[in-house]
Amino acid sequence: SQQGEEDPQALSIQEGENATMNCSYKTSINNLQWYRQNSGRGLVHLILIRSNEREKHSGRLRVTLDTSKKSSSLLITASRAADTASYFCATARQGAQKLVFGQGTRLTINP
Amino acid sequence: GAVVSQHPSRVICKSGTSVKIECRSLDFQATTMFWYRQFPKKSLMLMATSNEGSKATYEQGVEKDKFLINHASLTLSTLTVTSAHPEDSSFYICSASRTAINYGYTFGSGTRLTVV
Repeated sequence: SQQGEEDPQALSIQEGENATMNCSYKTSINNLQWYRQNSGRGLVHLILIRSNEREKHSGRLRVTLDTSKKSSSLLITASRAADTASYFCATARQGAQKLVFGQGTRLTINP
Repeated sequence: GAVVSQHPSRVICKSGTSVKIECRSLDFQATTMFWYRQFPKKSLMLMATSNEGSKATYEQGVEKDKFLINHASLTLSTLTVTSAHPEDSSFYICSASRTAINYGYTFGSGTRLTVV
């Protein structure tokens, strides 16, 4: 079953703007991961944040994690048309290997 | 980096036939692989956890006899959709990880199955 909920479900912005996506989950976790999926393709791992971390950066990506609120956000700065894709958060529960995915956000960057 | 190869990328089969999908970790050993199903514009639904040398662990609601999983080696897991029906048409994706926890997972490129 899916435990994550993401909002917004769809986001359309202009190139150069920042895009923020949010994810909520329900159980205690080991880590939370963000993935990107281009249409009809597999998933690409973007960033992993451990449960004892609050913020992490990777290039134009910034991820925050608030375990008290069971939520995370993904910020993409200075968006590009090539960032157009679906973005999913996924959580690994404590003691488990399997990932449970959120519903995803479809991001469209308009040139 | 970790690479997972999934084959075939697309397959069309007739109702009643079986289809095998392969998932290979190319440059690392994966004791555990995962199989997901994805409907159009939807999220990934975990079907089963594939364990090398032992039986797969299926998620609730997934038919074991319908979706046969074999993980015979540390680099190969296969998913066989048996007696396929049009409702089995979907996008199937596998994933693997080098180690159990706190590392990102690598996904295959997916298989688009169409049953006619």
